[in-house]
Amino acid sequence: EVQLVETGGGLIQPGGSLRLSCAASGFTVSTNYMSWVRQAPGKGLEWVSVIYSGGSTFHADSVKGRFTISRDNSKNTLYLQMNSLRAEDTAVYFCTGGGDYGYWGQGILVTVSS
Amino acid sequence: DVVMTQSPLSLPVTLGQPASISCRSSQSLVYSDGNTYLNWFQQRPGQSPRRLIYKVSNRDSGVPDRFSGSGSGTDFTLKISRVEAEDVGVYYCMQGTHWPPTFGGGTKVEIK
Repeated sequence: EVQLVETGGGLIQPGGSLRLSCAASGFTVSTNYMSWVRQAPGKGLEWVSVIYSGGSTFHADSVKGRFTISRDNSKNTLYLQMNSLRAEDTAVYFCTGGGDYGYWGQGILVTVSS
Repeated sequence: DVVMTQSPLSLPVTLGQPASISCRSSQSLVYSDGNTYLNWFQQRPGQSPRRLIYKVSNRDSGVPDRFSGSGSGTDFTLKISRVEAEDVGVYYCMQGTHWPPTFGGGTKVEIK
């Protein structure tokens, strides 16, 4: 059974940093493209970042230069380093992968507020 | 960015009756490899999204056959042949053909 478990969220002040983790089981992170998608409170889904099996990474314009997606193949874990956080980054962050968004984690809440 | 427009925003349905959700893209979603990367997701209250349909009309494993996807080019439809109580939630279309991937705004399905 495939499982994606996100950790690392919480309350952070504007300008601060957080690192989200997504531990995968049941499939290999490095052989699939993996993404982060977020959902602001009461809003729809917004794609954030992707890392391909070859290691290429891409980010949405709204987070470019502030967020970095990465992975640790030995831990089969995906990460999202979030710097210079803003109030508008407040959202539930989902990791997703397994081929064209086939698998999703339960999500982790990030709240940016003073 | 490709804009995905869903309608209606809200869809009250009687149990056992059919439901249909439209999704239109601002550009054709046919990719250079001939595939159309259009997915449908269901998000039940308090849950994470679940993919129902990929590449327009392919149903995911475990998805009831009352769900079906169709369409081409810029116009796509998700149909539920007979709505059940467990189908309540928000449905999203998503395109993966053009960069960056984009989602529709969602359609909330509720029981009358």
